[in-house]
Amino acid sequence: KAGVTQTPRYLIKTRGQQVTLSCSPISGHRSVSWYQQTPGQGLQFLFEYFSETQRNKGNFPGRFSGRQFSNSRSEMNVSTLELGDSALYLCASSNMPGPYEQYFGPGTRLTVT
Amino acid sequence: DAKTTQPNSMESNEEEPVHLPCNHSTISGTDYIHWYRQLPSQGPEYVIHGLTSNVNNRMASLAIAEDRKSSTLILHRATLRDAAVYYCILYNTDKLIFGTGTRLQVFP
Repeated sequence: KAGVTQTPRYLIKTRGQQVTLSCSPISGHRSVSWYQQTPGQGLQFLFEYFSETQRNKGNFPGRFSGRQFSNSRSEMNVSTLELGDSALYLCASSNMPGPYEQYFGPGTRLTVT
Repeated sequence: DAKTTQPNSMESNEEEPVHLPCNHSTISGTDYIHWYRQLPSQGPEYVIHGLTSNVNNRMASLAIAEDRKSSTLILHRATLRDAAVYYCILYNTDKLIFGTGTRLQVFP
């Protein structure tokens, strides 16, 4: 089985712009979660989607949003980018929501200048 | 959110067993204990998880204290490829809350 794929792998944006990141889960997995990883804050949960519905959301401002499509692929969007949004954005998929193992993608490295 | 406490770093020699401790004194009865590891320049990788009983898989063993306030991840024979940051996480309210983890160094 192919693993979780994330595109693009690297991205450079300017403050004030918006960005959309994409995540394709493992085939058959219907739950997708997003995380932000920075040197200062570590790994932080952003949100989780299952069957096109957001099930859970972390403590991030409304500039961070996401969605999931009927084929389970997910996108996250960050509007009005700030320097502090520079981070590695990780997507993880699992078969179902719940205390099951999550499979992480390689991440998208976003740099905001 | 329930929190975990892990040592910042640990060292091991190749071929030796490694015991990575984790304290989670505020764990609730329904919290699962998960372990993930993150190798350099990669996303986290699932290692093992459990609720009350000890668990074994091909990667590691998880020993859970009887009162569930602590757990230990056991790598039976460390290899250089096991050098990573190991995260002990309580699965709480449908999300993984990552702490700072333990950086494991493995020496040849």
